[in-house]
Amino acid sequence: NAGVTQTPKFRILKIGQSMTLQCAQDMNHNYMYWYRQDPGMGLKLIYYSVGAGITDKGEVPNGYNVSRSTTEDFPLRLELAAPSQTSVYFCASSPGTAGETQYFGPGTRLLVL
Amino acid sequence: EDKVVQSPLSLVVHEGDTVTLNCSYEVTNFRSLLWYKQEKKAPTFLFMLTSSGIEKKSGRLSSILDKKELFSILNITATQTGDSAVYLCAVEWTGNQFYFGTGTSLTVIP
Repeated sequence: NAGVTQTPKFRILKIGQSMTLQCAQDMNHNYMYWYRQDPGMGLKLIYYSVGAGITDKGEVPNGYNVSRSTTEDFPLRLELAAPSQTSVYFCASSPGTAGETQYFGPGTRLLVL
Repeated sequence: EDKVVQSPLSLVVHEGDTVTLNCSYEVTNFRSLLWYKQEKKAPTFLFMLTSSGIEKKSGRLSSILDKKELFSILNITATQTGDSAVYLCAVEWTGNQFYFGTGTSLTVIP
């Protein structure tokens, strides 16, 4: 049982490049989330999904896209990377029932130069 | 506007001290409040609080929620250097979404 896994751990992008951050969970959780955490700040919700085929925007969705074709995977796509997207990205999952916490992946550190 | 506000932003104490971390919130359709510990990696879960006045305890850590005054506190007694971390407060609201505070950075000096 690996929990929530994320790849890559670290990536450097040039301005204007695109990339996909991968996230997978093996706990059969319905809910999955993408957060970004800027230095000295809390986590900001980018997108979330309540099940396969269903996604919705969080607080800071601009510049990102997501898809959820399976229960296990929830990739985050960055199109036309900008320096403002330099951050640490965390994926999380939860069963979706009241009273259940979120389980976080180890994070992806992204640097856009 | 800020929905979850934590205080203080940072705190430096000596081993053995007791600390109190604060979290106030303002969200509609509140479901729960959660505390996490973050040590330079992913947050790890500490407590989930849903009812006012019921203290949750785990070893030297305890937390309580006041839904009338919209705040929670996290207490750590007899602090140790291993308690040094950022403590995050998050509030769950309808739709299983979570708002996070900016965190309190705790440093425990030997």
